[in-house]
Amino acid sequence: DGGITQSPKYLFRKEGQNVTLSCEQNLNHDAMYWYRQDPGQGLRLIYYSQIVNDFQKGDIAEGYSVSREKKESFPLTVTSAQKNPTAFYLCASGRDQSTDTQYFGPGTRLTVL
Amino acid sequence: GENVEQHPSTLSVQEGDSAVIKCTYSDSASNYFPWYKQELGKGPQLIIDIRSNVGEKKDQRIAVTLNKTAKHFSLHITETQPEDSAVYFCAALDSNYQLIWGAGTKLIIKP
Repeated sequence: DGGITQSPKYLFRKEGQNVTLSCEQNLNHDAMYWYRQDPGQGLRLIYYSQIVNDFQKGDIAEGYSVSREKKESFPLTVTSAQKNPTAFYLCASGRDQSTDTQYFGPGTRLTVL
Repeated sequence: GENVEQHPSTLSVQEGDSAVIKCTYSDSASNYFPWYKQELGKGPQLIIDIRSNVGEKKDQRIAVTLNKTAKHFSLHITETQPEDSAVYFCAALDSNYQLIWGAGTKLIIKP
């Protein structure tokens, strides 16, 4: 059963703590993406990766970090430097960056208490 | 850079009627335009897409039209059903191979 999984579905964090969101795909896709979605708004790109051990900043990378040590995995760390981290986080993957179609995971809702 | 505008932000239609959502883009080099449907608390799902070498694409009750000259594309849903209620997003692939997203349209199907 191929697809993209994100865990956990809901995550609560105290202010000042770092937290890592998981994203795994078994679609053999090279490209992976992290987006942030705020209520009533579109998707904003945080980071993306076209290949293992390489990634680039998106439009709103400040306060976030990523790694791409394996093709299947692209974890996102929300650091304490992110001033307004409460949001819905979506991970996506694509065969490669130039083939356009992105497939999304179910998302993780992060709430800072 | 690319900018995508989507209208309306909310659309309410009677069940069985048609719904049309429109998007405009700014970068004439954009050549790929997907539409996604997002249900509450879930990730977006691709429902249809179109590339710049065609003007229209249809899949059952869903169709997308593209006007490259005017730089706009539209989603058409015919014979709407309650399960069509969701938020719909358009996007355009810019010259850096990044998807630029519209702000979304909340579609409400009234029984």
